Amino acid sequence: SSELTQPPSVSVSPGQTASITCSGDKLGDYYACWYQQKPGQSPVLVIYQNSKRPSGIPERFSGSKAGNTATLTISGTQAMDEADYYCQAWDSSHVFGTGTKVTVL
Amino acid sequence: EEHLVESGGALVQPGGSLRLSCAASGFTFSSFWMHWVRQAPGEGLVWVSRINSDGSSINFADSVKGRFTISRDNAKNTLYLQMNSLRAEDTAVYYCTRGRLGGYGMDVWGQGTTATVSS
Repeated sequence: SSELTQPPSVSVSPGQTASITCSGDKLGDYYACWYQQKPGQSPVLVIYQNSKRPSGIPERFSGSKAGNTATLTISGTQAMDEADYYCQAWDSSHVFGTGTKVTVL
Repeated sequence: EEHLVESGGALVQPGGSLRLSCAASGFTFSSFWMHWVRQAPGEGLVWVSRINSDGSSINFADSVKGRFTISRDNAKNTLYLQMNSLRAEDTAVYYCTRGRLGGYGMDVWGQGTTATVSS
């Protein structure tokens, strides 16, 4: 079973803010990464090292970490942000979180 | 542009073997750590294995340890995953991914190749 726990689903209205949490003991000592996966597509890295955005990722995606919990925030959520999101602890086991489906209503 | 293209997925019987390949292009393959990640149908992402840039350091998930091996040929810009003693629960899309230079995150993903273990 996964050692990183995420809520199964999050719903958000267009233009509003979506927050996805990721909790686990590993996060206390290691950096968190976040990936977006749309149906039928490969995952895309959206946040690394807790809060850094790769080039090409919109500024509305941000990340933070406090203790054993990492959070991905999508500000001004757009319809195109509807996807599954996975956190990952960057340690020797590279475990992924359970995944969160974000629905833009 | 940086690309990873997996191949080798197939239908195989339980107990059988498969060798997956991942061809890299558009970047200096020999400089990067590489990973395999899998996703069972309708399920989440699961990290499988990683190899450092020169192949001298390797790690596996407990679920595949002793059955899978990872290797790379930097002259051919190719990553491999040898899967032996396959089980039904190994059925998944297998993604080849690149570790970010400097660590922390997988920044390039292939399109995936499907391994199906069934009798």
